[in-house]
Amino acid sequence: SAVISQKPSRDICQRGTSLTIQCQVDSQVTMMFWYRQQPGQSLTLIATANQGSEATYESGFVIDKFPISRPNLTFSTLTVSNMSPEDSSIYLCSVEAQARGYNEQFFGPGTRLTVL
Amino acid sequence: AQSVTQPDIHITVSEGASLELRCNYSYGATPYLFWYVQSPGQGLQLLLKYFSGDTLVQGIKGFEAEFKRSQSSFNLRKPSVHWSDAAEYFCAVGPFTGTASKLTFGTGTRLQVTL
Repeated sequence: SAVISQKPSRDICQRGTSLTIQCQVDSQVTMMFWYRQQPGQSLTLIATANQGSEATYESGFVIDKFPISRPNLTFSTLTVSNMSPEDSSIYLCSVEAQARGYNEQFFGPGTRLTVL
Repeated sequence: AQSVTQPDIHITVSEGASLELRCNYSYGATPYLFWYVQSPGQGLQLLLKYFSGDTLVQGIKGFEAEFKRSQSSFNLRKPSVHWSDAAEYFCAVGPFTGTASKLTFGTGTRLQVTL
């Protein structure tokens, strides 16, 4: 299993600014994921971040808007750049780890972002 | 492309009553199916998963789900709901590759429990 923490837990930001969200895992993992959960909607995968390589972005998400770092096997950051009110969402970090014989995704508590 | 449908956006049940949350999926191969719960202000917690074998799977907190390939369904059930079960429930599907990456989530069902 894996225990994940995220910082900050919530933030209120001004339009045009950037916010960096940190994700810390209590064990070394290969694959980390960043999701967005817009108000009243489901989770949408933003990108997959593997240590030592560039993040892989899903359709509709670009590196200039959501740059990701993955400096080691226990840590990742997601930056939301040049924010607009449409970026108001919960951003969740998750990792893939083995549990009870099969791989699972474990999720952090999320970062609730409000852009004014 | 894979997709997940949770037809019920919001369900209200009385404490002690039984619960069934519906989930239908579309996937071109053998799926890897999950149910997650998200309590207010919390991250997602895995309730149960289906990978292979017995189509009735038991999870935490007294939940179970049944995989029905013929109906492309993976409905979540609980025989007696507790007030603490009030939360958002998400069904998800992933590729049967032994990994849990590339999950596709449904839009969620919000469960309200009345006393």
